[in-house]
Amino acid sequence: EDKVVQSPLSLVVHEGDTVTLNCSYEVTNFRSLLWYKQEKKAPTFLFMLTSSGIEKKSGRLSSILDKKELFSILNITATQTGDSAIYLCAVEAGQGGSEKLVFGKGTKLTVNP
Amino acid sequence: GAGVSQSPRYKVAKRGQDVALRCDPISGHVSLFWYQQALGQGPEFLTYFQNEAQLDKSGLPSDRFFAERPEGSVSTLKIQRTQQEDSAVYLCASSLWAFYEQYFGPGTRLTVT
Repeated sequence: EDKVVQSPLSLVVHEGDTVTLNCSYEVTNFRSLLWYKQEKKAPTFLFMLTSSGIEKKSGRLSSILDKKELFSILNITATQTGDSAIYLCAVEAGQGGSEKLVFGKGTKLTVNP
Repeated sequence: GAGVSQSPRYKVAKRGQDVALRCDPISGHVSLFWYQQALGQGPEFLTYFQNEAQLDKSGLPSDRFFAERPEGSVSTLKIQRTQQEDSAVYLCASSLWAFYEQYFGPGTRLTVT
């Protein structure tokens, strides 16, 4: 059975701290790994990773994938209160032509002023 | 439109009632997905369309759940004879083509009383 595990499940930090969120997976027919940020509404897309070792960066956020060890990390530097959200990791398991995403439970990040 | 839209945003149904949830994907997006998100959990895949073809419905929890996308654009998720365990947020997502990133709508929060 396809599985995505995120850690920690929750994290509380102070503004300015750097955080690392973890995602490990076991899926058949891996195609890509995606990170989303979920506040009160829709998950918003952050990154899509398909190749090992290539860092993707957007402002203070960055992510990297290790396909050998089957994990990814999401780094957020100089955190701000607006970074408070649930961060979801998902893996695209393309078995039988389906593009479905398998999600982890998410990491709830709280950034205090 | 600018993003994926869903309606209604909130729905309260009495147990046993039928409900219909609507999703308008981003214009031109070929792939459309439905996910169910229970409180404190990551989204779980329900079904997937490519244009009007339903290519994967392996995540639909029972035959009370039915989805359609007759003209390859708007989609409707119908739940017959709702049960309390159907209470969740139902998320719709679309992507431009196969294996592109998925963009999510704001969801419909269904409460069955």
